[in-house]
Amino acid sequence: EAGVAQSPRYKIIEKRQSVAFWCNPISGHATLYWYQQILGQGPKLLIQFQNNGVVDDSQLPKDRFSAERLKGVDSTLKIQPAKLEDSAVYLCASSLTSGSLYNEQFFGPGTRLTVL
Amino acid sequence: AQSVAQPEDQVNVAEGNPLTVKCTYSVSGNPYLFWYVQYPNRGLQFLLKYITGDNLVKGSYGFEAEFNKSQTSFHLKKPSALVSDSALYFCAVREYSGAGSYQLTFGKGTKLSVIP
Repeated sequence: EAGVAQSPRYKIIEKRQSVAFWCNPISGHATLYWYQQILGQGPKLLIQFQNNGVVDDSQLPKDRFSAERLKGVDSTLKIQPAKLEDSAVYLCASSLTSGSLYNEQFFGPGTRLTVL
Repeated sequence: AQSVAQPEDQVNVAEGNPLTVKCTYSVSGNPYLFWYVQYPNRGLQFLLKYITGDNLVKGSYGFEAEFNKSQTSFHLKKPSALVSDSALYFCAVREYSGAGSYQLTFGKGTKLSVIP
């Protein structure tokens, strides 16, 4: 079974530039998550999709971050404009559904963003 | 809001010795607890979970965790550490976020170093 795919793996940009990350979840997984992991901290949930609908985006900085999952499969996370404090690893995860206690989340390798 | 705490930033253990990585939790209802491991430049991998049932939970790679309700702890353990166990370990709690959905909240992580 193929895992969660993410690209690019690394990205270096200057502040005020824009950047986009792509995620392809495990086939058949209805729920997709984007996390931000700052160095020395645990992953923090940014946004959660169920199929192509947003379940929770309460921790997404909506003035600069946006995400979409138009066809309910792959997803894109965008930052525009980037700030220095956005330097982090952005992790994508998927699960069969989010409505069960028992479903595990499977994580992709992440995209390491450096903002200069 | 529910949370987990990992009191140790780093744990060092000699190869072949038992290891323990500590986690305590704070929840308002029944705790649903998870352990994930992160190897360098890779995403998080699921190790084990406690939803209900036996307090001793067995997981992947020989790891186990003991749920202790009176001490609100969920420590990760392994009888004999391997150098390949060196990684970053995250404890997480699953909480209901509304709209029929569950989310994970992670601790800050503990770096485990197994010394040959």
